[in-house]
Amino acid sequence: DSGVTQTPKHLITATGQRVTLRCSPRSGDLSVYWYQQSLDQGLQFLIQYYNGEERAKGNILERFSAQQFPDLHSELNLSSLELGDSALYFCASSATGQGAREQYFGPGTRLTVT
Amino acid sequence: KNQVEQSPQSLIILEGKNCTLQCNYTVSPFSNLRWYKQDTGRGPVSLTIMTFSENTKSNGRYTATLDADTKQSSLHITASQLSDSASYICVVFSGTYKYIFGTGTRLKVLA
Repeated sequence: DSGVTQTPKHLITATGQRVTLRCSPRSGDLSVYWYQQSLDQGLQFLIQYYNGEERAKGNILERFSAQQFPDLHSELNLSSLELGDSALYFCASSATGQGAREQYFGPGTRLTVT
Repeated sequence: KNQVEQSPQSLIILEGKNCTLQCNYTVSPFSNLRWYKQDTGRGPVSLTIMTFSENTKSNGRYTATLDADTKQSSLHITASQLSDSASYICVVFSGTYKYIFGTGTRLKVLA
């Protein structure tokens, strides 16, 4: 158990809909990262937050947005969903925003868009 | 173009045997290189993090090497166990908040 929690575990929704994925980082970690992993694909970095502020952006679509709240939990919002958005979405946390520190991954949320 | 390439794509070995996974990268600038183990449907778990100055790092039966000159890394697994069956992912952090992931090597260990 990494100490990172993600909810829900599974989500099934229809095209065009909007969903919110939630992540709680390990106790004491200030940085949260979001990743997407499509079937049989590698992990794609989406976005990083550090202590409530956006720190870095990766391959995140404009239909997707995220935020980190004062209690440090984070939400990833996916809107106007398409079939191709079906994937595992992972959240990771680290103590600081520096890339040298260890990242701890949550169990993931499996999103299925039908 | 920043890329991380892993080989082989998949590997099948018998329990108790050793194996070596390869990672070649063209990422610049380079800050560190990580190896993760990912069980199917689960989140990745870190095995090692190596900086520019580190050549070898071990974590139990896992030993990672890094040659910063040739931009190559390897992950050696000794005396494989059934529980080693997983995907192994090489990730390079470029130091500018960019994480470049390889597509992984799928290892299957057979009894």
